[in-house]
Amino acid sequence: AQSVTQLDSQVPVFEEAPVELRCNYSSSVSVYLFWYVQYPNQGLQLLLKYLSGSTLVKGINGFEAEFNKSQTSFHLRKPSVHISDTAEYFCAVIFYGGSQGNLIFGKGTKLSVKP
Amino acid sequence: KAGVTQTPRYLIKTRGQQVTLSCSPISGHRSVSWYQQTPGQGLQFLFEYFSETQRNKGNFPGRFSGRQFSNSRSEMNVSTLELGDSALYLCASSLGQHRNTGELFFGEGSRLTVL
Repeated sequence: AQSVTQLDSQVPVFEEAPVELRCNYSSSVSVYLFWYVQYPNQGLQLLLKYLSGSTLVKGINGFEAEFNKSQTSFHLRKPSVHISDTAEYFCAVIFYGGSQGNLIFGKGTKLSVKP
Repeated sequence: KAGVTQTPRYLIKTRGQQVTLSCSPISGHRSVSWYQQTPGQGLQFLFEYFSETQRNKGNFPGRFSGRQFSNSRSEMNVSTLELGDSALYLCASSLGQHRNTGELFFGEGSRLTVL
């Protein structure tokens, strides 16, 4: 079955430090890739997406992610985090080459930024 | 432009009851998807509706059902509620079907507690 794995359930980091949140997916079929952020008691907000083209994607709030087809990965990075980045981050994939084509989410990574 | 609106935001039911949740998509969006979010299972896809037809369905029992109206508004229903149905139910809308457009816009969710 197609799946999305976020390797870290929790990532603590100090303010102004860099951060990388890791995401791997199960299949090398054609994919669309996304990162969403969820603040407490809110829905999900799109951070960035990869549909085609350049493998380095820039999103909102200074985040970026790189699509690596050979590694089937789409890791999220930010060079300097702020307290306000504390939230849960979800990697999501559409395996549009497969039969379903719905958005499949990873289990999420809780980013905790400490002063 | 108004976002995705879900009602009610919070509700409490008892085992055996049924519940109906409502979702109004962004104006012009024709696809509505539903997700269940729990701490243990994360975000799980329930179903997707496009042009009043269910286009895609996740692995949930038949107690979970949905429909979409001609104005793209959607409802989901859960019958014979179980304790394990306690969750945040998220609705998301998009211009077209998942596999074609990729990006979903989420509402803030309906938090269901089953006692």
